Amino acid sequence: DTEVTQTPKHLVMGMTNKKSLKCEQHMGHRAMYWYKQKAKKPPELMFVYSYEKLSINESVPSRFSPECPNSSLLNLHLHALQPEDSALYLCASSQGGSGREDEQFFGPGTRLTVL
Amino acid sequence: GESVGLHLPTLSVQEGDNSIINCAYSNSASDYFIWYKQESGKGPQFIIDIRSNMDKRQGQRVTVLLNKTVKHLSLQIAATQPGDSAVYFCAEKSNAGNNRKLIWGLGTSLAVNP
Repeated sequence: DTEVTQTPKHLVMGMTNKKSLKCEQHMGHRAMYWYKQKAKKPPELMFVYSYEKLSINESVPSRFSPECPNSSLLNLHLHALQPEDSALYLCASSQGGSGREDEQFFGPGTRLTVL
Repeated sequence: GESVGLHLPTLSVQEGDNSIINCAYSNSASDYFIWYKQESGKGPQFIIDIRSNMDKRQGQRVTVLLNKTVKHLSLQIAATQPGDSAVYFCAEKSNAGNNRKLIWGLGTSLAVNP
């Protein structure tokens, strides 16, 4: 299995809602990532988990809360979002490990709209 | 056809022609470079990568060239097909400090005319 899966594909939420994005990989990868991508822009890194521990937080607002329950799963909990948070949210994974080249495998993304 | 720069230009080519997509990177300490293809509505898909100890690497219909002297990376696509239409991103990474952050270019949109 060489896939990163993400659910849901599309999500519409109000500014007072709480929702979660889910990501799963079964490639044995030990690094997992959340990116945010606006239209016609490159992905922007939000969080990196390495061996199930948060290793990078790119100064993301606390209304985004990542969680890595195990080495195959990555969640992004959303609460009190703003309309400007509407974007494509991409999950990626890579082999990880010291000195390993990080080809990142991306999921198809969740298209999030905040009303 | 060719594209240059880190803004999002559009490169338009005829089916069957060769395409060259260029990327100027910023960090002289970067030692790993990667090209991704992103089709509309999909996540980025790995195309090819290259380490800084190489100046050329070939894949199926694609070649990446690295010129460290001028900090320039290019992706050549041979016999471009309609299925190659997508946005292409270059990305660079420095392994200093075991940093896993990719630094992304702004992308080039490739349009293949049948």
